[in-house]
Amino acid sequence: DAGITQSPRHKVTETGTPVTLRCHQTENHRYMYWYRQDPGHGLRLIHYSYGVKDTDKGEVSDGYSVSRSKTEDFLLTLESATSSQTSVYFCATQGALTDTQYFGPGTRLTVL
Amino acid sequence: AQKVTQAQTEISVVEKEDVTLDCVYETRDTTYYLFWYKQPPSGELVFLIRRNSFDEQNEISGRYSWNFQKSTSSFNFTITASQVVDSAVYFCARVNNNAGNMLTFGGGTRLMVKP
Repeated sequence: DAGITQSPRHKVTETGTPVTLRCHQTENHRYMYWYRQDPGHGLRLIHYSYGVKDTDKGEVSDGYSVSRSKTEDFLLTLESATSSQTSVYFCATQGALTDTQYFGPGTRLTVL
Repeated sequence: AQKVTQAQTEISVVEKEDVTLDCVYETRDTTYYLFWYKQPPSGELVFLIRRNSFDEQNEISGRYSWNFQKSTSSFNFTITASQVVDSAVYFCARVNNNAGNMLTFGGGTRLMVKP
């Protein structure tokens, strides 16, 4: 597995507050992804990055922004959290020469 | 959107039974990759297998086997002699070559293996 950590692992916040989730990898993988997991929907892509400062939207990007200033870190920001963003968030990475995404342990976010 | 469908939302078996998890996918790509991931009760996502669309040979790994049928767009997963530790949610996924290699996941199949 790629060395992928996510922080925090659990967070409870209130509607309207900003939230930032961090994904850190030690494998020097080029590609990084943020997915959310909701019951009945499997995992859906929020944003992805194909290099430092290079990011693009996924299928459920509304209300989220991302940044990647270093190869090893990919940040997901909820500018103003809403209850619909209560979910489990997974980060994944993929090397340029591999075809497999490996996932971090997940962050459980609850927006009250 | 090119979907991945796992029609079985929950399956319950008794230990030592064989069980097959179905996966049907849509794709317009000529070449693509398919995956299976396991999510045990602890919540992490564990990579199980990657299959290239060029290779239609079935694959076996211990008690796990995979049947890839390009003609029916199916990539089914069989566990032989199931064990309680196999209890998990299993996800089938396909790479979307046109969107940064994002994975499109099926909804998952929850497998419960009872002793």
